[in-house]
Amino acid sequence: GDSVTQTEGPVTVSESESLIINCTYSATSIAYPNLFWYVRYPGEGLQLLLKVITAGQKGSSRGFEATYNKETTSFHLQKASVQESDSAVYYCALGDPGTGSNRLTFGKGTKFSLIP
Amino acid sequence: EAAVTQSPRNKVAVTGGKVTLSCNQTNNHNNMYWYRQDTGHGLRLIHYSYGAGSTEKGDIPDGYKASRPSQENFSLILELATPSQTSVYFCASGDGVNQDTQYFGPGTRLLVL
Repeated sequence: GDSVTQTEGPVTVSESESLIINCTYSATSIAYPNLFWYVRYPGEGLQLLLKVITAGQKGSSRGFEATYNKETTSFHLQKASVQESDSAVYYCALGDPGTGSNRLTFGKGTKFSLIP
Repeated sequence: EAAVTQSPRNKVAVTGGKVTLSCNQTNNHNNMYWYRQDTGHGLRLIHYSYGAGSTEKGDIPDGYKASRPSQENFSLILELATPSQTSVYFCASGDGVNQDTQYFGPGTRLLVL
């Protein structure tokens, strides 16, 4: 089956430093999966951070970026300068564009917080 | 206004009891989903639905039933709750077109004693 592996947290960095959360995927039955980053802020439900549906393209939102790399089957999330409001749990996910169900396969999530 | 709401937000149940988790969406989306999340696991799909009257098994359906009586409502039913079903449950909706975004509720924390 399909799977997503991401950086095991928790991850902590200092304010204004850079953040990278790694994500690799295995899509055994999907030639070109759609790739997503969702985020869950404290006390809230998951919300979409960014998505990329074309290999080689980059998605960006709220200062975060991720590039769909089919060769390395990766979709790493990066931000150049983090702030307190970025503290959250980040989930990488893949989906099959060929099905009407739009089912998603999620990674385990990576909790990020600033070093106090 | 929150477009996907869940109730209750927290629930304590006894082993063998019946538990119903409710989800309501105002997005007018066709698809709805129930996931659970446990420490060390990503969100795992339990059941989903293509529309009113439809329910489909996800990846981990055992021990759960689902009901979609209307476009807006999607329930998850634990007929005989077990401690292994202690988890955080998330409902989501999506329009089912072109792998569009899923919109999640805030989650329900269930503890089965």
